This record gives sequence, structure tokens and C-alpha cells, in this order.
Amino acid sequence: DAGVTQSPTHLIKTRGQQVTLRCSPKSGHDTVSWYQQALGQGPQFIFQYYEEEERQRGNFPDRFSGHQFPNYSSELNVNALLLGDSALYLCASSFNLGSSEQYFGPGTRLTVT
Amino acid sequence: AQSVTQLDSQVPVFEEAPVELRCNYSSSVSVYLFWYVQYPNQGLQLLLKYLSGSTLVESINGFEAEFNKSQTSFHLRKPSVHISDTAEYFCAVSSIPYSSASKIIFGSGTRLSIRP
Repeated sequence: DAGVTQSPTHLIKTRGQQVTLRCSPKSGHDTVSWYQQALGQGPQFIFQYYEEEERQRGNFPDRFSGHQFPNYSSELNVNALLLGDSALYLCASSFNLGSSEQYFGPGTRLTVT
Repeated sequence: AQSVTQLDSQVPVFEEAPVELRCNYSSSVSVYLFWYVQYPNQGLQLLLKYLSGSTLVESINGFEAEFNKSQTSFHLRKPSVHISDTAEYFCAVSSIPYSSASKIIFGSGTRLSIRP
């Protein structure tokens, strides 16, 4: 049973560019959440998707957007990249909105130069 | 709104010594409490969780945490640590009820380093 998978594992972008990160949830899970973990800090909630809709959003600008597909996989898009967007981006999946437990993927390390 | 404070950014201990990682939270509503572990260059793994019932919860690898509502704490303990316990530990909360879109609020983490 595959857990949460994310791609790519590492990514280097230049300021002003756009990036797309991908996440496949754990088998049987239909809810996907995204978190940003800056170096030396705890993860910060970006947003959560369920039934292809954004259900809740953290304190992130509109440059951060997402999408969920019918197969429950999800994308995180970041436009107009800033140096401060350099971080580990974590995807977590759960068994519907009512589940108390989220399973995390290994993350995508984004470096903005 | 909820917040989590991990009082120690780093905790160095000798192998086979006991350890306590401290966590305090703030919330105006009831919460679920979690400890996650992050090994170097890996994602987060759930170590243990408190949802309801007994205030003492245990993990399969010897860690335990006790929910103290009056002190709003959820400290993590292990009586004897091993080199393999070297990792970053994150305390986290989420609000109850869990019937709508939910998010996990994390602390800033405690780096546990084990000395031989």
C-alpha cells in the first residue's frame, strides 16, 4: 500500500518564476492538505482540498493556489516566486474531512535563487 | 485560534538517559494533540496522539505523552533514549469537532540529539 507520494523531490527556481508541486494521497484517502516548512521551523498550513474544492486556507497570499483532481491527487502552484518561498513543501492526506489523522509525504524541497 | 509552544529548540542527552520534550498549547476550544517526528531529510511521521479518554498515551517505540488540561501541556517523555531517536520532534494541535475542514497547528520543533 503506497503512502503519500510527492514529486519532484527537489526543485530549483529563479525569483519571479512559477512552480507546480504534485501530491498523490495514500490509497483510500480523499482529503489533501499542503504545508510549508521553512528551515528550522514547524510546518505552516497552506490550504486543504476535499471534493476538488479548497475547504480551508491558512495565512498565505493568493500567489499560492491549488487544485484537486477527481482521483484525489493534488497540485500546489506558486506564482511570482520570492526568495522567502524557499522551503520544504509537505503534502498530507486523510480519510475525509472528519479524520483526526493526517499522513505526510516526504516533501518537495524548493530552492528559489 | 490555537497556538503551540515548544519550550526547547534543542535537547542534547546521553544515550540511555531519560528525556522530556516540553509542549504547551493555547486554545479557546477543545483540541486533539499530536507529536510528530521528522528524521533527517524525511517527512513527518505521527508518533502518538491524544483524542480522548486516558490522558497518558504511548507509542510503539517507548515514547509517552501526558495530556494535562489544567496546565495546557502535552509533554513527551522517554525513560531511555537510543541513538536512533535523534530527530526533530513537533508538537501539534487541531481543533474539535473534527467535522469540518481541519488544519494542524505545529510548534516550532525540538531537535533531540543523542550523545553516545
